[in-house]
Amino acid sequence: KAGVTQTPRYLIKTRGQQVTLSCSPISGHRSVSWYQQTPGQGLQFLFEYFSETQRNKGNFPGRFSGRQFSNSRSEMNVSTLELGDSALYLCASSSGGKEDTQYFGPGTRLTVL
Amino acid sequence: AQRVTQPEKLLSVFKGAPVELKCNYSYSGSPELFWYVQYSRQRLQLLLRHISRESIKGFTADLNKGETSFHLKKPFAQEEDSAMYYCALSSYSSASKIIFGSGTRLSIRP
Repeated sequence: KAGVTQTPRYLIKTRGQQVTLSCSPISGHRSVSWYQQTPGQGLQFLFEYFSETQRNKGNFPGRFSGRQFSNSRSEMNVSTLELGDSALYLCASSSGGKEDTQYFGPGTRLTVL
Repeated sequence: AQRVTQPEKLLSVFKGAPVELKCNYSYSGSPELFWYVQYSRQRLQLLLRHISRESIKGFTADLNKGETSFHLKKPFAQEEDSAMYYCALSSYSSASKIIFGSGTRLSIRP
């Protein structure tokens, strides 16, 4: 089985711009979760999508949004970028059950200048 | 508040020595506890979870509800154990919402 893939792997944006990141889950997985990883705050949960619906949400401002398509692929959007949004954004997929293992992608490294 | 605390940022031990990575948590219900590992240039991956009670790569972790701890242990460290280790928790009702600790970098010296 192919693993979780994320595109692009690296991205450079400037303040005020917006960005869209993409995540393709493992085939058959219906749940996609997004995390932000920074040196200061560590790994923080952003949100989870299951069957095209947001099922869980972390404590991030509304500038962070996401969606999931019928093929379970997910996108994450950040609007009005700030310097502090520079981070590694990880997505993880699972089948969505309560005891399922999450499989992580390699991440997208976003740099905001 | 839900929180996972890993007090050590870096732990350095000699090959063959015992390893213990500490993890304490704060949670108001009955969480599920995990250890994730990230080897150099590899993805974050699940090492073990408390409900499975398994030993993975020689590592074990026991959930101590009284002390709210979930320390990771291995009796004899190997060089390939060098990695970043994250303790994490989730609730049974929000299994995909994982709260991670800040991580401990384990370095095994030859």
